Amino acid sequence: QSALTQPASVSGSPGQSITISCSGTASDVGAYNYVSWYQHHPGKAPQLIIYSVDHRPSGVSTRFSGSKSVNTASLTISGLQADDEADYYCTSHTTSGTHVFGTGTKVTVL
Amino acid sequence: EVQLVQSGVEVKKPGDFLKISCKTSGYIFPNYWIAWMRQMPGKGLEWMGFVHPGNSEIRYIPSFQGQVTISADRSISTAYLQWSSLKASDTALYYCGASLTTPTFDTWGQGTLVTVSS
Repeated sequence: QSALTQPASVSGSPGQSITISCSGTASDVGAYNYVSWYQHHPGKAPQLIIYSVDHRPSGVSTRFSGSKSVNTASLTISGLQADDEADYYCTSHTTSGTHVFGTGTKVTVL
Repeated sequence: EVQLVQSGVEVKKPGDFLKISCKTSGYIFPNYWIAWMRQMPGKGLEWMGFVHPGNSEIRYIPSFQGQVTISADRSISTAYLQWSSLKASDTALYYCGASLTTPTFDTWGQGTLVTVSS
């Protein structure tokens, strides 16, 4: 099972919107609507910010939104803020009954 | 309050045995999947495997099959990750997580840092 493909880095200025892509295959991203996104500050526990493609857990800012088209999922952060600076990982259920992470994207707020 | 509390920092030598734990509380342990994942220094997150304490089903990511053993003890609501013979390449931060309120792993332990060095 290969890792899902994400851009290594994305940056934006405060207030801007950025989008992070997550490219998979028909055996993972394209197979189910079970793509999730985590925000991760290194050394801390990851925080789930999107699940089932476009659902936000309770307490997560509405500035985070998710979508999916065929084998590619996307995370959009609108109204970028300084504390959005972190690593972001997508993950998907797979047809083999497990999960696979994306390669991770470092978000920098300029 | 739901909590996943992991065991503390470990410093080991190559070839050592190690078993780290994930003590859970605040929910019905047998009912929910537990996952283990790792982050090697400077690298991304990787799933390692999953255990369902209710029926003892265990699923390993292929690259970790045979390298680690995942288990769970329902009597003390605790999940485990163990190595029979550590390698330097096992140096990493390890997290346990539970799938409690969503179809994915939404609640995480604080992480256990494992350093393997001669």
